Amino acid sequence: KNEVEQSPQNLTAQEGEFITINCSYSVGISALHWLQQHPGGGIVSLFMLSSGKKKHGRLIATINIQEKHSSLHITASHPRDSAVYICAVKETSGSRLTFGEGTQLTVNP
Amino acid sequence: GAGVSQSPRYKVTKRGQDVALRCDPISGHVSLYWYRQALGQGPEFLTYFNYEAQQDKSGLPNDRFSAERPEGSISTLTIQRTEQRDSAMYRCATTWGTSGTDTQYFGPGTRLTVL
Repeated sequence: KNEVEQSPQNLTAQEGEFITINCSYSVGISALHWLQQHPGGGIVSLFMLSSGKKKHGRLIATINIQEKHSSLHITASHPRDSAVYICAVKETSGSRLTFGEGTQLTVNP
Repeated sequence: GAGVSQSPRYKVTKRGQDVALRCDPISGHVSLYWYRQALGQGPEFLTYFNYEAQQDKSGLPNDRFSAERPEGSISTLTIQRTEQRDSAMYRCATTWGTSGTDTQYFGPGTRLTVL
Protein backbone atom coordinates (compact mmCIF):
# COMPACT_ATOMS: atom_id res chain seq x y z
CA LYS A 1 0.00 0.00 0.00
CA ASN A 2 1.37 3.39 -1.01
CA GLU A 3 1.79 5.98 1.69
CA VAL A 4 -0.15 8.44 -0.49
CA GLU A 5 -3.15 7.31 -2.47
CA GLN A 6 -5.21 9.36 -4.85
CA SER A 7 -8.64 8.76 -6.29
CA PRO A 8 -9.82 8.58 -8.90
CA GLN A 9 -6.87 7.69 -11.12
CA ASN A 10 -8.68 9.05 -14.15
CA LEU A 11 -11.54 11.51 -14.33
CA THR A 12 -13.43 12.80 -17.34
CA ALA A 13 -15.84 15.69 -16.94
CA GLN A 14 -17.87 18.06 -19.05
CA GLU A 15 -17.03 21.73 -19.06
CA GLY A 16 -18.69 23.50 -16.15
CA GLU A 17 -18.84 20.49 -13.84
CA PHE A 18 -17.62 20.54 -10.25
CA ILE A 19 -14.57 18.33 -9.84
CA THR A 20 -13.27 16.61 -6.71
CA ILE A 21 -9.97 14.76 -6.45
CA ASN A 22 -9.13 12.94 -3.24
CA CYS A 23 -5.87 12.19 -1.47
CA SER A 24 -5.42 9.89 1.52
CA TYR A 25 -2.18 9.30 3.35
CA SER A 26 -1.03 6.95 6.05
CA VAL A 27 1.82 8.82 7.73
CA GLY A 28 2.06 11.79 10.05
CA ILE A 29 2.62 14.91 8.02
CA SER A 30 3.51 18.53 8.52
CA ALA A 31 2.30 19.71 5.11
CA LEU A 32 0.46 18.52 2.03
CA HIS A 33 1.01 19.84 -1.47
CA TRP A 34 -1.25 19.81 -4.50
CA LEU A 35 0.59 20.03 -7.80
CA GLN A 36 -0.56 20.33 -11.40
CA GLN A 37 1.36 18.63 -14.19
CA HIS A 38 0.59 20.12 -17.57
CA PRO A 39 0.22 18.03 -20.72
CA GLY A 40 3.63 19.34 -21.77
CA GLY A 41 5.14 17.89 -18.59
CA GLY A 42 5.79 20.99 -16.48
CA ILE A 43 4.84 20.81 -12.78
CA VAL A 44 3.36 23.76 -10.93
CA SER A 45 2.61 23.97 -7.24
CA LEU A 46 -1.04 24.84 -6.61
CA PHE A 47 -1.38 24.72 -2.83
CA MET A 48 0.46 23.84 0.31
CA LEU A 49 -1.73 23.04 3.30
CA SER A 50 -1.13 22.15 6.90
CA SER A 51 -4.71 22.64 8.07
CA GLY A 52 -8.09 23.89 6.99
CA LYS A 53 -8.84 25.19 3.56
CA LYS A 54 -7.27 27.33 0.88
CA LYS A 55 -8.85 28.90 -2.19
CA HIS A 56 -7.29 30.31 -5.32
CA GLY A 57 -9.62 31.31 -8.10
CA ARG A 58 -11.70 28.28 -9.04
CA LEU A 59 -9.51 25.92 -7.04
CA ILE A 60 -10.19 24.95 -3.44
CA ALA A 61 -8.07 22.61 -1.33
CA THR A 62 -9.08 21.20 2.02
CA ILE A 63 -7.35 18.96 4.51
CA ASN A 64 -8.54 16.97 7.50
CA ILE A 65 -5.48 16.09 9.56
CA GLN A 66 -7.37 13.73 11.88
CA GLU A 67 -8.76 11.71 8.98
CA LYS A 68 -5.51 11.98 6.98
CA HIS A 69 -7.40 13.13 3.93
CA SER A 70 -7.30 16.05 1.53
CA SER A 71 -9.47 17.07 -1.39
CA LEU A 72 -8.88 19.32 -4.35
CA HIS A 73 -11.98 20.87 -5.85
CA ILE A 74 -12.33 22.67 -9.16
CA THR A 75 -15.46 24.73 -9.68
CA ALA A 76 -16.82 25.53 -13.14
CA SER A 77 -14.26 23.27 -14.79
CA HIS A 78 -12.79 24.24 -18.15
CA PRO A 79 -10.89 22.27 -20.79
CA ARG A 80 -7.74 24.15 -19.83
CA ASP A 81 -7.95 22.45 -16.42
CA SER A 82 -7.10 19.17 -18.14
CA ALA A 83 -3.89 17.97 -16.52
CA VAL A 84 -2.53 15.49 -14.00
CA TYR A 85 -3.12 16.57 -10.41
CA ILE A 86 -0.64 15.21 -7.89
CA CYS A 87 -0.85 15.13 -4.11
CA ALA A 88 2.39 15.08 -2.12
CA VAL A 89 3.00 14.98 1.62
CA LYS A 90 5.89 16.11 3.75
CA GLU A 91 6.27 13.73 6.63
CA THR A 92 6.69 15.08 10.13
CA SER A 93 10.38 14.19 10.13
CA GLY A 94 12.71 15.18 7.32
CA SER A 95 12.05 17.36 4.30
CA ARG A 96 11.39 14.85 1.56
CA LEU A 97 8.04 14.75 -0.21
CA THR A 98 6.18 11.53 -0.91
CA PHE A 99 3.96 11.73 -3.97
CA GLY A 100 0.76 10.09 -5.04
CA GLU A 101 0.53 8.65 -8.51
CA GLY A 102 -1.61 11.48 -9.79
CA THR A 103 -5.12 11.90 -11.14
CA GLN A 104 -5.51 12.44 -14.86
CA LEU A 105 -8.30 14.96 -15.39
CA THR A 106 -9.83 15.53 -18.80
CA VAL A 107 -12.44 18.25 -19.20
CA ASN A 108 -14.33 18.09 -22.45
CA PRO A 109 -15.94 21.15 -24.03
CA GLY B 1 16.24 33.33 -15.90
CA ALA B 2 13.31 33.59 -13.54
CA GLY B 3 12.63 29.90 -13.08
CA VAL B 4 14.43 26.66 -12.36
CA SER B 5 16.28 25.43 -15.41
CA GLN B 6 17.63 22.00 -16.23
CA SER B 7 19.98 20.79 -18.90
CA PRO B 8 20.01 18.96 -21.10
CA ARG B 9 16.26 18.74 -21.70
CA TYR B 10 16.71 15.42 -23.49
CA LYS B 11 19.52 12.93 -23.20
CA VAL B 12 19.86 9.72 -25.13
CA THR B 13 22.73 7.51 -24.13
CA LYS B 14 23.92 3.97 -24.55
CA ARG B 15 23.88 1.50 -21.73
CA GLY B 16 27.08 1.67 -19.71
CA GLN B 17 27.77 5.35 -20.34
CA ASP B 18 27.87 7.95 -17.57
CA VAL B 19 25.51 10.94 -17.67
CA ALA B 20 25.47 14.23 -15.79
CA LEU B 21 22.25 16.16 -15.38
CA ARG B 22 22.33 19.77 -14.32
CA CYS B 23 19.92 21.89 -12.30
CA ASP B 24 20.10 25.68 -12.03
CA PRO B 25 17.95 26.90 -9.14
CA ILE B 26 16.06 30.13 -8.82
CA SER B 27 18.50 32.71 -7.51
CA GLY B 28 18.49 32.73 -3.74
CA HIS B 29 16.74 29.41 -3.31
CA VAL B 30 18.61 27.45 -0.69
CA SER B 31 17.04 24.01 -0.87
CA LEU B 32 17.25 21.83 -3.95
CA TYR B 33 15.51 18.50 -4.51
CA TRP B 34 16.04 15.84 -7.15
CA TYR B 35 13.17 13.59 -8.25
CA ARG B 36 12.72 10.84 -10.79
CA GLN B 37 9.43 10.33 -12.57
CA ALA B 38 8.56 7.26 -14.60
CA LEU B 39 5.91 7.55 -17.28
CA GLY B 40 2.43 7.58 -15.76
CA GLN B 41 3.75 7.75 -12.22
CA GLY B 42 4.16 10.48 -9.65
CA PRO B 43 7.63 11.84 -8.90
CA GLU B 44 9.89 9.82 -6.61
CA PHE B 45 12.30 11.50 -4.20
CA LEU B 46 16.00 10.93 -4.85
CA THR B 47 17.97 13.40 -2.71
CA TYR B 48 18.01 16.96 -1.46
CA PHE B 49 20.39 19.70 -0.40
CA ASN B 50 20.22 22.61 1.96
CA TYR B 51 22.81 25.01 0.60
CA GLU B 52 25.76 22.80 -0.32
CA ALA B 53 25.04 20.11 2.24
CA GLN B 54 23.36 16.92 1.10
CA GLN B 55 20.73 16.34 3.78
CA ASP B 56 19.09 13.14 2.63
CA LYS B 57 20.20 10.75 -0.09
CA SER B 58 18.05 7.84 0.97
CA GLY B 59 16.10 7.93 -2.28
CA LEU B 60 19.08 7.30 -4.52
CA PRO B 61 18.43 3.81 -5.88
CA ASN B 62 22.00 2.52 -5.75
CA ASP B 63 25.61 3.66 -5.69
CA ARG B 64 25.65 4.43 -9.41
CA PHE B 65 23.66 7.56 -8.56
CA SER B 66 25.30 10.56 -6.91
CA ALA B 67 24.61 14.25 -6.61
CA GLU B 68 26.54 17.33 -5.62
CA ARG B 69 25.95 21.00 -5.10
CA PRO B 70 29.44 22.28 -4.29
CA GLU B 71 28.70 26.00 -4.05
CA GLY B 72 25.13 25.81 -2.85
CA SER B 73 23.70 26.83 -6.21
CA ILE B 74 23.93 24.64 -9.32
CA SER B 75 23.54 20.93 -8.71
CA THR B 76 24.58 17.94 -10.78
CA LEU B 77 23.02 14.50 -10.64
CA THR B 78 25.39 11.89 -12.03
CA ILE B 79 24.44 8.39 -13.09
CA GLN B 80 27.35 6.06 -13.75
CA ARG B 81 27.21 2.98 -15.96
CA THR B 82 23.66 3.71 -17.04
CA GLU B 83 21.14 0.92 -17.41
CA GLN B 84 17.91 0.80 -19.38
CA ARG B 85 15.90 0.91 -16.15
CA ASP B 86 17.37 4.37 -15.48
CA SER B 87 15.28 5.79 -18.34
CA ALA B 88 12.90 8.35 -16.83
CA MET B 89 12.26 12.06 -16.42
CA TYR B 90 14.63 13.57 -13.87
CA ARG B 91 13.35 16.73 -12.25
CA CYS B 92 14.74 19.15 -9.76
CA ALA B 93 12.81 21.55 -7.58
CA THR B 94 13.99 24.37 -5.36
CA THR B 95 12.62 26.31 -2.41
CA TRP B 96 13.61 29.56 -0.79
CA GLY B 97 13.63 28.10 2.73
CA THR B 98 14.89 24.96 4.43
CA SER B 99 11.82 23.98 6.44
CA GLY B 100 10.50 21.56 3.84
CA THR B 101 7.09 23.20 3.96
CA ASP B 102 7.83 25.87 1.37
CA THR B 103 6.44 25.92 -2.14
CA GLN B 104 8.58 23.86 -4.47
CA TYR B 105 9.38 25.31 -7.88
CA PHE B 106 9.99 22.61 -10.42
CA GLY B 107 12.31 22.64 -13.38
CA PRO B 108 11.20 21.35 -16.79
CA GLY B 109 13.06 18.09 -16.30
CA THR B 110 15.60 16.08 -18.27
CA ARG B 111 14.16 13.16 -20.22
CA LEU B 112 16.80 10.41 -20.06
CA THR B 113 16.62 7.50 -22.45
CA VAL B 114 19.11 4.68 -22.08
CA LEU B 115 19.34 2.45 -25.12
